[in-house]
Amino acid sequence: GAGVSQSPRYKVTKRGQDVTLRCDPISSHATLYWYQQALGQGPEFLTYFNYEAQPDKSGLPSDRFSAERPEGSISTLTIQRTEQRDSAMYRCASSSTGLGRETQYFGPGTRLLVL
Amino acid sequence: AQSVTQLDSHVSVSEGTPVLLRCNYSSSYSPSLFWYVQHPNKGLQLLLKYTSAATLVKGINGFEAEFKKSETSFHLTKPSAHMSDAAEYFCVVSDVGGSQGNLIFGKGTKLSVKP
Repeated sequence: GAGVSQSPRYKVTKRGQDVTLRCDPISSHATLYWYQQALGQGPEFLTYFNYEAQPDKSGLPSDRFSAERPEGSISTLTIQRTEQRDSAMYRCASSSTGLGRETQYFGPGTRLLVL
Repeated sequence: AQSVTQLDSHVSVSEGTPVLLRCNYSSSYSPSLFWYVQHPNKGLQLLLKYTSAATLVKGINGFEAEFKKSETSFHLTKPSAHMSDAAEYFCVVSDVGGSQGNLIFGKGTKLSVKP
């Protein structure tokens, strides 16, 4: 598509529920990133994909967090057994090849609130 | 490890006066540095980036930043603030010595512009 899109834009859930967030990157982009942005903070890296491969999961806060990109395009981020501390803005970005000098293009984000 | 420090959490200026948003970085390698802007309810937008070419980088909307290796700084400036510049600004580093381009964000500086 023309830009990075994310859905839903807002999600309210109860503690203990599972949630799945979706990211649709720019269609020609090989690399896709997920970031978590707590209120009043800058985004923090969670994980990234090169096509369908996921070389780095080091930023995922716990094993309740998982991400996939099975066909190398759309990606989902799933949080199992949500906790209140998971409340944050979740941002997705994509870039052409994933090299450090490249511009990353960000989607509008999904704001998650866990009650 | 790479990091960025934004020295001011909040900057307030009057319309028509200069803007200075300060950023210091730490990086083991030759860094790529970026400034992103986040307007309310919108995604992150790239303002400008430094990738080891010219040390004075010009971006969109009249913003520019100067890379000063001796001071490990990458401050963002604009000669004359406009009301539409009110937003949150993030200084970002990407370590080109690494194999991936995940970004490391500062905590952000909120810019207010008074009429």
